[in-house]
Amino acid sequence: AQSVAQPEDQVNVAEGNPLTVKCTYSVSGNPYLFWYVQYPNRGLQFLLKYITGDNLVKGSYGFEAEFNKSQTSFHLKKPSALVSDSALYFCAVRAVGGATNKLIFGTGTLLAVQP
Amino acid sequence: NAGVTQTPKFQVLKTGQSMTLQCAQDMNHEYMSWYRQDPGMGLRLIHYSVGAGITDQGEVPNGYNVSRSTTEDFPLRLLSAAPSQTSVYFCASSYSLGTGAYEQFFGPGTRLTVL
Repeated sequence: AQSVAQPEDQVNVAEGNPLTVKCTYSVSGNPYLFWYVQYPNRGLQFLLKYITGDNLVKGSYGFEAEFNKSQTSFHLKKPSALVSDSALYFCAVRAVGGATNKLIFGTGTLLAVQP
Repeated sequence: NAGVTQTPKFQVLKTGQSMTLQCAQDMNHEYMSWYRQDPGMGLRLIHYSVGAGITDQGEVPNGYNVSRSTTEDFPLRLLSAAPSQTSVYFCASSYSLGTGAYEQFFGPGTRLTVL
């Protein structure tokens, strides 16, 4: 069965410091991996995805994510955090070759960036 | 394009009442889905559809019905509301051609309270 784990409920970081939001996955075969962001009282917005190829994926708002097959991880990173990055972040996975676009989401990590 | 729209934004029901949450998209997406978001549990898939006339159950389908008579619309029906259905409901849509990795576009959500 597919699953996603986001081991941290909350990540605190000072503005200007690098940030990492962790995600590990379990899927049969190769994965498609996604990161979404949710601002308060809003729907989820797509940030980036990994399909194949380069393990470092660049996305919106200066975010990037590193795919590590041996560690089954897809951590979200940003070199310099902004207060406006404070939001709820979700990792999601889908198995390559699946018949539909069904995604399995993690439980979310709240990112709090202090000024 | 309006993207994915949901109505209503807020709803309060009494136990046993029925209602329909509306979802529409204007991007000609084949795939549409309904999620519920609860604190600490992330997003859980209720029902999904891969095209007009085709629906299937997700992770938590009990107490909910769906239909897909057109590509654009995917309403979610609560047959007899229960307090356990108090949640925020999100509709999402995406392309679903073959086995590609397509990001999902989310609506703004419906906050439902069942008393």
